Amino acid sequence: ILNVEQSPQSLHVQEGDSTNFTCSFPSSNFYALHWYRWETAKSPEALFVMTLNGDEKKKGRISATLNTKEGYSYLYIKGSQPEDSATYLCAFLNNAGNMLTFGGGTRLMVKP
Amino acid sequence: GAVVSQHPSRVICKSGTSVKIECRSLDFQATTMFWYRQFPKQSLMLMATSNEGSKATYEQGVEKDKFLINHASLTLSTLTVTSAHPEDSSFYICSARGLQGAEVYVRDGYTFGSGTRLTVV
Repeated sequence: ILNVEQSPQSLHVQEGDSTNFTCSFPSSNFYALHWYRWETAKSPEALFVMTLNGDEKKKGRISATLNTKEGYSYLYIKGSQPEDSATYLCAFLNNAGNMLTFGGGTRLMVKP
Repeated sequence: GAVVSQHPSRVICKSGTSVKIECRSLDFQATTMFWYRQFPKQSLMLMATSNEGSKATYEQGVEKDKFLINHASLTLSTLTVTSAHPEDSSFYICSARGLQGAEVYVRDGYTFGSGTRLTVV
């Protein structure tokens, strides 16, 4: 059983605050690490797919880093806005197949 | 971009009845469909993987006779919860991948439906 963990489980921040959360995953048999943004009643939307150790990816105010040797990834949101409120999921893909193993998610709530 | 439509979004059924959940890929051909279940405050857990035209592969602990998966076409996969009981009440969501090569999924991620909340009373 692959262990993918996210912390914190939930986070309340004020509009304008910057925040970050963590995903930890097995450091062996790594293929890719996915980040998804999941708003209530909508489909999870892919934010980043990260494959290389040391990768840093950015989309607007959101960025992510990857450390495959120690098995963690950080997601950063700069200047949080109410529309950033969602659950952020990470998912680990190993090199044995095409199955994603998800973490429990971090629920972010941004207060205006 | 790729879209997967999942229906119904919510369903309430009586114990002992069967419920069918559909996932349709709207603008691509889904060669593989993944079905997940999520219990409250837990992660998305993979139930089964289905490839078009072949039998689904179920994860350990998932009863294949209870959760029937059909993937008869490249645009439609269905999950039928047979003889549903209250403990089957959960959130079910599908995810699809299509004919493109693996590098597309490395770049773009997987495409999800919006999920179905099943309540068995």
